[in-house]
Amino acid sequence: GAGVSQSPSNKVTEKGKDVELRCDPISGHTALYWYRQSLGQGLEFLIYFQGNSAPDKSGLPSDRFSAERTGGSVSTLTIQRTQQEDSAVYLCASSLAGGFGGTDTQYFGPGTRLTVL
Amino acid sequence: EDKVVQSPLSLVVHEGDTVTLNCSYEVTNFRSLLWYKQEKKAPTFLFMLTSSGIEKKSGRLSSILDKKELFSILNITATQTGDSAVYLCAVVGGSNYKLTFGKGTLLTVNP
Repeated sequence: GAGVSQSPSNKVTEKGKDVELRCDPISGHTALYWYRQSLGQGLEFLIYFQGNSAPDKSGLPSDRFSAERTGGSVSTLTIQRTQQEDSAVYLCASSLAGGFGGTDTQYFGPGTRLTVL
Repeated sequence: EDKVVQSPLSLVVHEGDTVTLNCSYEVTNFRSLLWYKQEKKAPTFLFMLTSSGIEKKSGRLSSILDKKELFSILNITATQTGDSAVYLCAVVGGSNYKLTFGKGTLLTVNP
């Protein structure tokens, strides 16, 4: 596609429910990233995929958070037993090649705004 | 731990003014510094800087990096109301891929 797309654009859920957020990267991009943007905070790195593998999950805040990527394309971020502090905008980015020299531009999707009541 | 500090946190100017946004960083094994513009949704890429002293320019926007003093500036000349946005600075360090972001500068351009 022309850019990174994410769905849903907005999600309101009740505390304790599970949610799934989807990311479609730019066609041909092998690297995919998830970030979280909370009110008053900068964007925080969550996880990085190279192909279908996640060599760096260091940013996932708890074991309630997981992500997978299939076919080297679409990725799903799952949050189990949501808590109010999970409320944030979840942004996905993709880049052509990923971690080679640190000069691979990441292009962002529009994000999913998650609100946990 | 990598760290990025942007200043000012917010700025209000009138159309036609020139603004300078600042970004200082501490990072292990610096690779690159990126500027993004974020309006309502997706941060949109502006510049990537890897070498000191080489200005990147796109229309009314320009940016330069100083790797000795560990900072970058983003200049916008002849500002327009459409420039109103949050401007984000991010660096890539030893991981070669992880972006560490500053908290952004909220720029408001009034007519």
